[in-house]
Amino acid sequence: GENVEQHPSTLSVQEGDSAVIKCTYSDSASNYFPWYKQELGKGPQLIIDIRSNVGEKKDQRIAVTLNKTAKHFSLHITETQPEDSAVYFCAASGSGNTPLVFGKGTRLSVIA
Amino acid sequence: GAVVSQHPSRVICKSGTSVKIECRSLDFQATTMFWYRQFPKKSLMLMATSNEGSKATYEQGVEKDKFLINHASLTLSTLTVTSAHPEDSSFYICSARDPAGMGAFFGQGTRLTVV
Repeated sequence: GENVEQHPSTLSVQEGDSAVIKCTYSDSASNYFPWYKQELGKGPQLIIDIRSNVGEKKDQRIAVTLNKTAKHFSLHITETQPEDSAVYFCAASGSGNTPLVFGKGTRLSVIA
Repeated sequence: GAVVSQHPSRVICKSGTSVKIECRSLDFQATTMFWYRQFPKKSLMLMATSNEGSKATYEQGVEKDKFLINHASLTLSTLTVTSAHPEDSSFYICSARDPAGMGAFFGQGTRLTVV
């Protein structure tokens, strides 16, 4: 089955700097790669996703890149703000109604 | 994005009682929903896949008689924790994939505390 590795487990950045979180996956059949932001006591919120037919996707300060050959994808947050502080999870799954397999999460702290 | 609504957000129950958690897809039909469990400072662990009109598929190690799943309609799945014990205390989260865009969305989660 699919296995997703996520690094780093914790990340501290100064406000205004960029943050990068990286994930690798094992199943070459996976074709959907979402990123979630989870705040304390809340469910995960989808912030951006990418599919295997796309190499990069950007939404304002957030971007995701995908390298299918190397089986890794990354989340990039630019101009970080204190409200970006949260736990971020990457995930991978196949098409259709297949469940997501999650990475272990990255606790991002943005220091004002 | 698509909306998945989960209720209740928080519940406290006595040992031995049962608790039902509801998960609704508000603006799309979901033939499949997923139930996850999350321990403090840990990632989400898939418990089961809920299939509309048929039996749920449980992950290895998850007791199907303890965690009853019903997916009676295309917009509602329920998870019932039966004969709850303190070790069942956890954060339970449901998810559904929007068939139009195939995005995966989560409910707000339910914090279950068994005393």
